[in-house]
Amino acid sequence: GAVVSQHPSRVICKSGTSVKIECRSLDFQATTMFWYRQFPKQSLMLMATSNEGSKATYEQGVEKDKFLINHASLTLSTLTVTSAHPEDSSFYICSALRGGSQETQYFGPGTRLLVL
Amino acid sequence: AQSVTQLDSQVPVFEEAPVELRCNYSSSVSVYLFWYVQYPNQGLQLLLKYLSGSTLVKGINGFEAEFNKSQTSFHLRKPSVHISDTAEYFCAVSSGGGADGLTFGKGTHLIIQP
Repeated sequence: GAVVSQHPSRVICKSGTSVKIECRSLDFQATTMFWYRQFPKQSLMLMATSNEGSKATYEQGVEKDKFLINHASLTLSTLTVTSAHPEDSSFYICSALRGGSQETQYFGPGTRLLVL
Repeated sequence: AQSVTQLDSQVPVFEEAPVELRCNYSSSVSVYLFWYVQYPNQGLQLLLKYLSGSTLVKGINGFEAEFNKSQTSFHLRKPSVHISDTAEYFCAVSSGGGADGLTFGKGTHLIIQP
């Protein structure tokens, strides 16, 4: 199988601080990873596409200076929520693209962020 | 732009009964369609996908879905459900196979009643 991990699984922080979330593909290399956000009782919303060795591509309405993405290796992408505010509280989910003849996204278990 | 509609937020079904979870999409280009399942406290797991070819797609755990282009639908079905099928089911669409970010529906919570 293809396993994707996220760390931490849950984080609580004070307003104004920054939080880093890691997404790792454990048994395959991923040149492309995606970051999604999920509000309660709502669908996952794509935030950005992370490409190894290049700048991330952000969806319309997502502030790139607030949600910093770094994809420094083929197995790790990080999402940093800078100067977090209560409205940033959400469930953040990453996925890693496994290539081959039929590319498939494999999802991490998610990170629940609560900003006080 | 693409969108996905899952009309049923919750579907209760008795164990061993058949189930259909509905999914409709809209897109101005060719689409690729996916169903994911999310068990409590776990990440999303791919059930099945339609990229091309036969419109009837078989997935894991006995699920199947049929792509209907004229009705812009991709309904998920299972002939006999088990308690272990209790989960949240998400329909998703992309315009670039699996390589693009996905647009998800709001999800359907499948509740299996004994």
